Amino acid sequence: AAGVIQSPRHLIKEKRETATLKCYPIPRHDTVYWYQQGPGQDPQFLISFYEKMQSDKGSIPDRFSAQQFSDYHSELNMSSLELGDSALYFCASSNRQGKNTEAFFGQGTRLTVV
Amino acid sequence: AQSVTQPDIHITVSEGASLELRCNYSYGATPYLFWYVQSPGQGLQLLLKYFSGDTLVQGIKGFEAEFKRSQSSFNLRKPSVHWSDAAEYFCAVGTMEYGNKLVFGAGTILRVKS
Repeated sequence: AAGVIQSPRHLIKEKRETATLKCYPIPRHDTVYWYQQGPGQDPQFLISFYEKMQSDKGSIPDRFSAQQFSDYHSELNMSSLELGDSALYFCASSNRQGKNTEAFFGQGTRLTVV
Repeated sequence: AQSVTQPDIHITVSEGASLELRCNYSYGATPYLFWYVQSPGQGLQLLLKYFSGDTLVQGIKGFEAEFKRSQSSFNLRKPSVHWSDAAEYFCAVGTMEYGNKLVFGAGTILRVKS
């Protein structure tokens, strides 16, 4: 079965650079979530989109923005990168219209800021 | 707002011994409850989930969990631990009210002694 695809899997950027993380949800899933997991931390919710509209916002810095496109894939754009942005970024998708839905996670993108 | 508490940061058990990882949640209604496992540098793998119905749920890899509403708990158990179970385990709570956004506990690192 198709899973959530994230690209790239690994990314190294320098401070003050920008990064774009991509997420391709499971087909027919209408909701995408982004989470950030710092070293030794639990995943923290950043932002979610439902039917291409932002549906919820968590602890996402103003330097970050995200959107969901017409094909339901999502991109997380990160600007003015800081060392503290180094983390594992997870995308998850779900079908909110379904009953008893659950979120399926991608393998994550490991961002290292140097 | 929901919250999840995993009181044990580290647990060490001998191979073949039984395991119980504790999870307590805070939420006004019946939440959706999940247990995920994460190996170092890897993504989140869903072990099991509870939405409704039977309060004892079976998951993959021989894990089970029991939802106890009166104690606001969703403890994870395994009767006999294998060395390959060494990983970090996250309990998470989600609700339809929040569009299935997940709130994670801090995680419990399981070490297995041979």
